[in-house]
Amino acid sequence: DARVTQTPRHKVTEMGQEVTMRCQPILGHNTVFWYRQTMMQGLELLAYFRNRAPLDDSGMPKDRFSAEMPDATLATLKIQPSEPRDSAVYFCASGPAGLVGNEQYFGPGTRLTVT
Amino acid sequence: AQKVTQAQTEISVVEKEDVTLDCVYETRDTTYYLFWYKQPPSGELVFLIRRNSFDEQNEISGRYSWNFQKSTSSFNFTITASQVVDSAVYFCALTTNAGNMLTFGGGTRLMVKP
Repeated sequence: DARVTQTPRHKVTEMGQEVTMRCQPILGHNTVFWYRQTMMQGLELLAYFRNRAPLDDSGMPKDRFSAEMPDATLATLKIQPSEPRDSAVYFCASGPAGLVGNEQYFGPGTRLTVT
Repeated sequence: AQKVTQAQTEISVVEKEDVTLDCVYETRDTTYYLFWYKQPPSGELVFLIRRNSFDEQNEISGRYSWNFQKSTSSFNFTITASQVVDSAVYFCALTTNAGNMLTFGGGTRLMVKP
């Protein structure tokens, strides 16, 4: 049963520290998404990759966030420096190649707490 | 711009009751896709269904059914004979032909009491 995996599942860090979250998409999926979930804002898209190329990162605070796909099996989301307002659950999702409107499959999320 | 509204933030029912979760969407695109996801207490988002804008047929899957009505821009989700395991937050989402990014509604928390 193929799944999206994310590490770490939980991260507690102090303000100002760098945070790196990793995601392994489902093998064969060519689209990868990063979402953030907070009580106040709900689920919001941060970045979107297709065939490892970033297509949309307009939802991401550019000064401190960066997203990359070093290869087809790894997507990373970095925050440097982290701030308390970054505390949230960060989800990675992947989707199959081909048609638009394909469903996305979500990982278990990384719960980030910045103190 | 597109928008998804789930007006019911929280619903509480007793087991075996039927419950309908409402979803209203806004988009200027004529081709779009609607989704429902379930987020149980474990936190993972589970895909339930996808419907494209050209297919208004209702769908039934076991105790779950979906009613898509373009005339009212709604895509409602009904659980028949609810069970405690149905307790979760349910999200309605939309994407258009312009890309696959999902726009989510605010979610409806469903609590099914024994």
